[in-house]
Formats: sequence, C-alpha cells, structure tokens
Amino acid sequence: DAGVTQSPTHLIKTRGQQVTLRCSPISGHKSVSWYQQVLGQGPQFIFQYYEKEERGRGNFPDRFSARQFPNYSSELNVNALLLGDSALYLCASSLRTGVNSPLHFGNGTRLTVT
Amino acid sequence: AQKVTQAQTEISVVEKEDVTLDCVYETRDTTYYLFWYKQPPSGELVFLIRRNSFDEQNEISGRYSWNFQKSTSSFNFTITASQVVDSAVYFCALSEARGGATNKLIFGTGTLLAVQP
Repeated sequence: DAGVTQSPTHLIKTRGQQVTLRCSPISGHKSVSWYQQVLGQGPQFIFQYYEKEERGRGNFPDRFSARQFPNYSSELNVNALLLGDSALYLCASSLRTGVNSPLHFGNGTRLTVT
Repeated sequence: AQKVTQAQTEISVVEKEDVTLDCVYETRDTTYYLFWYKQPPSGELVFLIRRNSFDEQNEISGRYSWNFQKSTSSFNFTITASQVVDSAVYFCALSEARGGATNKLIFGTGTLLAVQP
C-alpha cells in the first residue's frame, strides 16, 4: 500500500510569494494533519482536517490556510512568504482523529524562502 | 501547558554501545499519550512506540526498550548494541486525550544520534 505522499519534495520561493503544498493520505484515512519543522527543531502542529472540516489549528498566523478535498487529499497554502517560513512541511494521515488513531507521516516538502 | 524536553541535542557512540535518549514531559492532564519517532535523513517520521499514561510497564522490542516513569515525568528510550542504521534524529512527543478532537502531537526538539562504525 502507498504511504502518505507529498508534493513537491522541494520548493524554492521568494519572499512575498504564495505557495501550495499537496498531500495524499493513505487509502482509507480520512484525517490529514500538517506540521512545520524548522531546521534543528521538532515538528509543530499547524492544522488537522477530518472529513473536510478543520478539527484543530496550531499557533500560526492567518497567512497559513488549508483545506481537505472529497477524496481526503489536502492542500496547505501559505501567503506572503517570510524567510522564517523556510522549513520542512510534514503531512500525516490517520484513520480518524483522536490519539487512538496513529499518525503516519510523509517524507515532507522542503520549502526554502529566499 | 504541555511541553516535551529532550536535553540531549547530539549523542555520538561507537557501534555496539548502548545508548539512552532522555525525554521529560509536562502536562496537567491525567490522561495522555507519549510517543517516540525516528527521523532518518529522508525526512519521514517513523513511529516507534506509543504509551498511555496508565501503563507504566517498561517495554522491550528487539534492541529497543522504553522506561516510563510518571514520578519523574520521564519516558526514556534505550538502544542496546547500537548499529550504524540507528543513526537518525529521535523525537519524543506528547498527546493529550481530550475528547478525541485531534491527535495533535507536541514534539521535543529531538536528539541527533550518530553511531560510528
């Protein structure tokens, strides 16, 4: 079975631009979560979506938004990019929400903002 | 507030040595879950173990073992007879079981383990 797939794997953008990152969950998984991992730090929770509804949001500015599609794939959008947005963006899928539903992570998208 | 502290930034050992990675957590909840993940250079987070706050039994899986002590809020991870393939960043994480709204994880800053041949 295919794991969580993210695209693109690498991305270079300029300050002020907008970016869209994509995630396809494991087949049958209805929840997708997004995490930001700045170099040298642990991942930080951005969003969780379940059945196309936002179920949780971390401490990130409104420049960050996401959505989940009927096929449960998800997009993370970041507007007005700042240098500090440079990070590895990880997507994780799970069958449901709640701690009894383990997260399965993808390989991430590495975003560099110049 | 929830917090996970991994005080060891980097550890370097020689193959076949045993190594322990420390994790200390803070939470006000009585029901919570603790996790360990491995992150190889590829970037993917690989799940290693999950423990709930009511199960303080230590666990062993092959060369891996975990020591959960609520009295000291610690959840340490030991690799016995380390191998070069164990080289990675290891993260400890915490999740609170609040109504099942999310399975949000709070991660520590990670410990980079380098196993030299």
